[in-house]
Amino acid sequence: AQKVTQAQTEISVVEKEDVTLDCVYETRDTTYYLFWYKQPPSGELVFLIRRNSFDEQNEISGRYSWNFQKSTSSFNFTITASQVVDSAVYFCALSEASAAGNKLTFGGGTRVLVKP
Amino acid sequence: GAVVSQHPSWVICKSGTSVKIECRSLDFQATTMFWYRQFPKQSLMLMATSNEGSKATYEQGVEKDKFLINHASLTLSTLTVTSAHPEDSSFYICSARWTLATDTQYFGPGTRLTVL
Repeated sequence: AQKVTQAQTEISVVEKEDVTLDCVYETRDTTYYLFWYKQPPSGELVFLIRRNSFDEQNEISGRYSWNFQKSTSSFNFTITASQVVDSAVYFCALSEASAAGNKLTFGGGTRVLVKP
Repeated sequence: GAVVSQHPSWVICKSGTSVKIECRSLDFQATTMFWYRQFPKQSLMLMATSNEGSKATYEQGVEKDKFLINHASLTLSTLTVTSAHPEDSSFYICSARWTLATDTQYFGPGTRLTVL
């Protein structure tokens, strides 16, 4: 069965600090997809990134970057030079290609608090 | 693109009444939509997968007669909480899978249900 673990429940940083969110996953499929979503206090989940299991290239989008390492089953997310608006809960999720309907399994989430 | 709306954003009802929540994909067609439930400070739990034109697939432990799902068109899925009780109070979130966008799920803003 698929499983996603976000070991950090809450991280508090001061503005402009970098913050890295860990995500470790378990799956028996060779084809799968990994996602990161942001949930600000308003509650709506915002899609950040999707990565398939065959693409291990790291990705950078503005202040966001992702490090995918199949060898350690990890898909970590770094926010560089954090800002107060980055305060939110961040969820890592996994979808197996073989799963009916491409269901998502979410990690427990990491709450990021960026203080001014 | 990829906008999903939910209505209502919040609802308060008396115990024993039924509540209907609508989920719409505004700018894309979604053959599959998903309904999640989220308790405070917890992750999202998948309740059911809603397929256009067919019966929903419920996750283990979710009462299908209590949480009625209808997916009548490619842009609309509804969740009806029947005979609601205080323990049904929660944050309900839907998502729509955009097939043409690498099967990524896009989420609605959520509906906060409070049953008195």
